[in-house]
Amino acid sequence: DIQMTQSPSTLSASVGDRVTITCRASQSISGWLAWYQQKPGKAPKLLIYKASSLESGVPSRFSGSGSGTEFTLTISSLQPDDFATYYCQQYNSYSRTFGQGTKVEIK
Amino acid sequence: EVQLVESGGGLVQPGGSLRLSCAASGFTFSSYSMNWVRQAPGKGLEWVSYISSSSSTIYYADSVKGQFTISRDNAKNSLYLQMNSLRAEDTAVYYCARDRRPDGYIGYDPFDCWGQGTLVTVSS
Repeated sequence: DIQMTQSPSTLSASVGDRVTITCRASQSISGWLAWYQQKPGKAPKLLIYKASSLESGVPSRFSGSGSGTEFTLTISSLQPDDFATYYCQQYNSYSRTFGQGTKVEIK
Repeated sequence: EVQLVESGGGLVQPGGSLRLSCAASGFTFSSYSMNWVRQAPGKGLEWVSYISSSSSTIYYADSVKGQFTISRDNAKNSLYLQMNSLRAEDTAVYYCARDRRPDGYIGYDPFDCWGQGTLVTVSS
């Protein structure tokens, strides 16, 4: 199975900060990577697919980049609604594994 | 409005069985592959199982292979997960989730629509 590793596990930031989360795959997944946002007690929400394509309705402050084994999610200017846990997911294989998550906390 | 609603969770003893259901509405259910994803308390997301739109292709995570069975009834717009021989480590919120595109593409897809989840607790 393809393993996904996110860093950092926790990130403390302030409103207005630029935030970057990294996701690494154990083998090349081309651009088959998605990012999700999850708030406590809620289901995950798809933000980005195919590494850099923004899902409909997602604010443009979210962006993704990368290919192969290294990917990043960037929030250009952190908003109060963005404090949540973020997960990457590979869909290069049928076993669509997730990263362990990155919690974005208020500094 | 696209909606997925899970049901069937609850408290079950170790070794017991449970059947989860997911009722779909607001889209052509028979055109989409579906999945189950679980999340243990305080932990991350784990993909559990996949079923294609026609039920012709089914996959399971190694952690549940031989223990769980996924199925669907397109006439009832419903997805199911039969869980047998349950263990404490199966305790989790179970989500049903839809592949982003309707069937017909090559490869796999992320999940664009999720239910609210149903909690399964395995404990004596």
